[in-house]
Amino acid sequence: GQNIDQPTEMTATEGAIVQINCTYQTSGFNGLFWYQQHAGEAPTFLSYNVLDGLEEKGRFSSFLSRSKGYSYLLLKELQMKDSASYLCAVRDLSTGFQKLVFGTGTRLLVSP
Amino acid sequence: KAGVTQTPRYLIKTRGQQVTLSCSPISGHRSVSWYQQTPGQGLQFLFEYFSETQRNKGNFPGRFSGRQFSNSRSEMNVSTLELGDSALYLCASRKIGGLGNEQFFGPGTRLTVL
Repeated sequence: GQNIDQPTEMTATEGAIVQINCTYQTSGFNGLFWYQQHAGEAPTFLSYNVLDGLEEKGRFSSFLSRSKGYSYLLLKELQMKDSASYLCAVRDLSTGFQKLVFGTGTRLLVSP
Repeated sequence: KAGVTQTPRYLIKTRGQQVTLSCSPISGHRSVSWYQQTPGQGLQFLFEYFSETQRNKGNFPGRFSGRQFSNSRSEMNVSTLELGDSALYLCASRKIGGLGNEQFFGPGTRLTVL
């Protein structure tokens, strides 16, 4: 089966750092995505990790540990516009074709 | 380059009716995936089409179907609508091959079943 867990909601203040965790159990694992989704809008791509380690992209970084089935998204210097849902998605190739399996998302609220 | 487009953006239907949603991928993208998003379940994979063939299917009943045309545009159909089908339906396209694995999402179609 497939199971992806992430916290439902988090709060943080402007300028702070926040870490959003994602744990997964899935067959056919072939990478992990993070997407950002503002209310009423489409998800937009943030990062993709397929090897263990940290990928940094500006204020956002994503980490993956395949042996632990664990990833996190790190957001630095938080801004009000970072208030959104953050979706963790595992790329599953168990059928031979790509399928993205999403967690239910973490709603982040950034306050002044 | 135009993004993924979906039509219509909003739909209201009643139970028992059927509905067809349309998705036009980014030019050059040949894979189209469909997802259902609800507050309780999050984003759930419906199916993926590539070269007019369904390559992968999620755990949804047969009332949910789709197809892809030779220009890569895709449609999904839901027959005998139920109240629980009310959701945001998202399609995403990607370019097969190369280094990128990223899926680009459209704005979605908000379906309300009364």
